[in-house]
Amino acid sequence: GESVGLHLPTLSVQEGDNSIINCAYSNSASDYFIWYKQESGKGPQFIIDIRSNMDKRQGQRVTVLLNKTVKHLSLQIAATQPGDSAVYFCAELGPAGNMLTFGGGTRLMVKP
Amino acid sequence: DVKVTQSSRYLVKRTGEKVFLECVQDMDHENMFWYRQDPGLGLRLIYFSYDVKMKEKGDIPEGYSVSREKKERFSLILESASTNQTSMYLCASMGLAELTDTQYFGPGTRLTVL
Repeated sequence: GESVGLHLPTLSVQEGDNSIINCAYSNSASDYFIWYKQESGKGPQFIIDIRSNMDKRQGQRVTVLLNKTVKHLSLQIAATQPGDSAVYFCAELGPAGNMLTFGGGTRLMVKP
Repeated sequence: DVKVTQSSRYLVKRTGEKVFLECVQDMDHENMFWYRQDPGLGLRLIYFSYDVKMKEKGDIPEGYSVSREKKERFSLILESASTNQTSMYLCASMGLAELTDTQYFGPGTRLTVL
């Protein structure tokens, strides 16, 4: 069936460096994508989203890039901080518009 | 600024017990979801509801049921808990009118079935 998946299960970066977390999706009908951050012991927290009519969206220190040609989504975190250490999930909104499909998650570890 | 709450953070039950997990949202959202999260398996959708008294099966509904009697409350029920239902359970809600910034998760309930 359709699925959303991540390329790297664990990413380790130095504090201050930029981080890039990738995600591949397979449902070409999806038109809305979301990145979540989940810290240990907490529920996923919304970070940023993007619609399929955009290829880039920026937030505070975060940027999401969407490449519909290759069905690829990425989350860029600028000047990564220890507080960014968490598991990051991408999710897509299904064709019905009310179901999210989640990727398996990438753990980001920030080294001081 | 809590928007989605779950009745318990940690719960320990015995095999065969009936378990109720409650979720309440205060954002007047139409859609509510129950997921379980397991290491290596990510988030898997159990059930969702798009309106009061409406429910739809997700990817792994077996062994679970749900109840949505009021718009703000979505309950997950384990009729007869089993050890393979030991997991982290996450509730989420989402509005229809505005997709941006309207997907909220609760803090999760870590259920252990002995």
